[in-house]
Amino acid sequence: DVKVTQSSRYLVKRTGEKVFLECVQDMDHENMFWYRQDPGLGLRLIYFSYDVKMKEKGDIPEGYSVSREKKERFSLILESASTNQTSMYLCASSSFGQGDYEQYFGPGTRLTVT
Amino acid sequence: AQTVTQSQPEMSVQEAETVTLSCTYDTSENNYYLFWYKQPPSRQMILVIRQEAYKQQNATENRFSVNFQKAAKSFSLKISDSQLGDTAMYFCAFTHVNNNDMRFGAGTRLTVKP
Repeated sequence: DVKVTQSSRYLVKRTGEKVFLECVQDMDHENMFWYRQDPGLGLRLIYFSYDVKMKEKGDIPEGYSVSREKKERFSLILESASTNQTSMYLCASSSFGQGDYEQYFGPGTRLTVT
Repeated sequence: AQTVTQSQPEMSVQEAETVTLSCTYDTSENNYYLFWYKQPPSRQMILVIRQEAYKQQNATENRFSVNFQKAAKSFSLKISDSQLGDTAMYFCAFTHVNNNDMRFGAGTRLTVKP
């Protein structure tokens, strides 16, 4: 089974702090994604990566950056956390080779910025 | 732009009955995939069912089936013999072939009542 893990289930940070959210997948997937999930808005794509050191902006990249130094790991960085970044963050991965475009999700990190 | 609309924010159903969740999408492309994902309370998002747009036959997975109406751009999920474990948020999603950009609806919160 594909396993996608995220470094924390719950995180509380103060405004202005730098925040790192880590995601690791164990299935050698090329593609990795960071989403933000808010009630009534569904999942919105922040960034995705289709290869090591490659990244593409999604719909809401402002205030976020990402890093992918290794194929299995994709990090989301909040350079200076703000209260409007309080949300559930979901990581996902997928493979070109599967041909079915299914994305596999991590358990999510619920971030609260106070 | 691709959009996915789920018009039912919340639904409930009695155990053992059948329920249908609605989803419409908007695209000018012809080749794409549609998905229903399930997110149980405090648990990981998992794929329920997928439909390739080029296939006319509706996908079925045990108690879950879809009604795919390509011309109407409609993709509803039917859950038969509802079980308490079906209580979850359900997200409809869409992606074009050869595209990493998966679009999600806002979600429908389904509660199965005993």
